[in-house]
Amino acid sequence: DAMVIQNPRYQVTQFGKPVTLSCSQTLNHNVMYWYQQKSSQAPKLLFHYYDKDFNNEADTPDNFQSRRPNTSFCFLDIRSPGLGDAAMYLCATSRGQVANTEAFFGQGTRLTVV
Amino acid sequence: AQKVTQAQTEISVVEKEDVTLDCVYETRDTTYYLFWYKQPPSGELVFLIRRNSFDEQNEISGRYSWNFQKSTSSFNFTITASQVVDSAVYFCALSEDMIKAAGNKLTFGGGTRVLVKP
Repeated sequence: DAMVIQNPRYQVTQFGKPVTLSCSQTLNHNVMYWYQQKSSQAPKLLFHYYDKDFNNEADTPDNFQSRRPNTSFCFLDIRSPGLGDAAMYLCATSRGQVANTEAFFGQGTRLTVV
Repeated sequence: AQKVTQAQTEISVVEKEDVTLDCVYETRDTTYYLFWYKQPPSGELVFLIRRNSFDEQNEISGRYSWNFQKSTSSFNFTITASQVVDSAVYFCALSEDMIKAAGNKLTFGGGTRVLVKP
């Protein structure tokens, strides 16, 4: 059974139209992450939550926001998608505060901007 | 700053051949963690192995084996007797010791696409 679930798997949005991607987890992990993976590139961390504490990466554009209303859910909001934001968006979770626990990834949402 | 380099962008082999994926990393931390993930066409990143910087023992798991050499900052991955189902993109990743901060922030290499032909 999937433990990190991302919906939808495929999302098409119009240039400049706000879009929200969702992620849920059944692992009860403290930490949730959003990564952006452009075609043929490595995943790049956008931000993460440790419980309710939000941690933004320094180079994440302001166009990207996130919400975590409870332990199980985390949302990625793109306020004004541009063509350059077309990518696979991966949600991940991990347990605890130390770096030696592996991250569990969802199947991703592939975003197309038209 | 940390960095992970996977010099091979794509490797093509015939089924049953062995394939070795190279990974070289850079970090200033003395404590860090290395990972390998597999990304099949479905998109999900599947965890394969974690190794901490103090454990240089090589590891074998079925057809998979890993060779960690701290002296050369390398963490290479070998698939023995490859199968078509091994076709995927493989990512090497690094996480520094983050006890004082939250989470497990992974820095990924560029990935190596493995194509196993029948």
